[in-house]
Amino acid sequence: SQELEQSPQSLIVQEGKNLTINCTSSKTLYGLYWYKQKYGEGLIFLMMLQKGGEEKSHEKITAKLDEKKQQSSLHITASQPSHAGIYLCGADRGSTLGRLYFGRGTQLTVWP
Amino acid sequence: KAGVTQTPRYLIKTRGQQVTLSCSPISGHRSVSWYQQTPGQGLQFLFEYFSETQRNKGNFPGRFSGRQFSNSRSEMNVSTLELGDSALYLCASSDGVGPLHEQYFGPGTRLTVT
Repeated sequence: SQELEQSPQSLIVQEGKNLTINCTSSKTLYGLYWYKQKYGEGLIFLMMLQKGGEEKSHEKITAKLDEKKQQSSLHITASQPSHAGIYLCGADRGSTLGRLYFGRGTQLTVWP
Repeated sequence: KAGVTQTPRYLIKTRGQQVTLSCSPISGHRSVSWYQQTPGQGLQFLFEYFSETQRNKGNFPGRFSGRQFSNSRSEMNVSTLELGDSALYLCASSDGVGPLHEQYFGPGTRLTVT
């Protein structure tokens, strides 16, 4: 079973639309990472959340970790074709010495 | 500051051969982690090194091994390659261990086993 569940698995939106990707864990998250990946390439670090209720933004991307620290959401405002890619969430369990557990990813397509 | 670099970027090997992949972390980072990414299994943790010591290991057979050098560069080795080892191998570096330390990934090495 997956440590982290991401939804939706894929998303197709028109340029300019807002969208949200969710990441849910059955266990408490000590750190939650969001990465973006172009197919077959490395992961681009977007942001890391640690505290319950924490919210971070970078350009038009905002991520939040809920108070119970078991769910995170990634929100993109006014999407652009450059936002297209695979979004992955990764969880730090706090006691696993650097190991991150990843969701299966959300494939985002933005059409002009 | 230069990012995480991985060499080679692409590799084609034959079943039964062995392969060594290299990862150079961001300057000043002492922790290096390795992951295998496949369409079927997603991203799976291989192992993590900190100050030349393996501190954590994922659920992979002993054919997968690694090491870290005093300059924090890391190598991973896969012996007796199998078709199922075809994957994108990613390494990540961090300046420490734990949730306070952000992990940055390299571009990956695409290994194809024929």
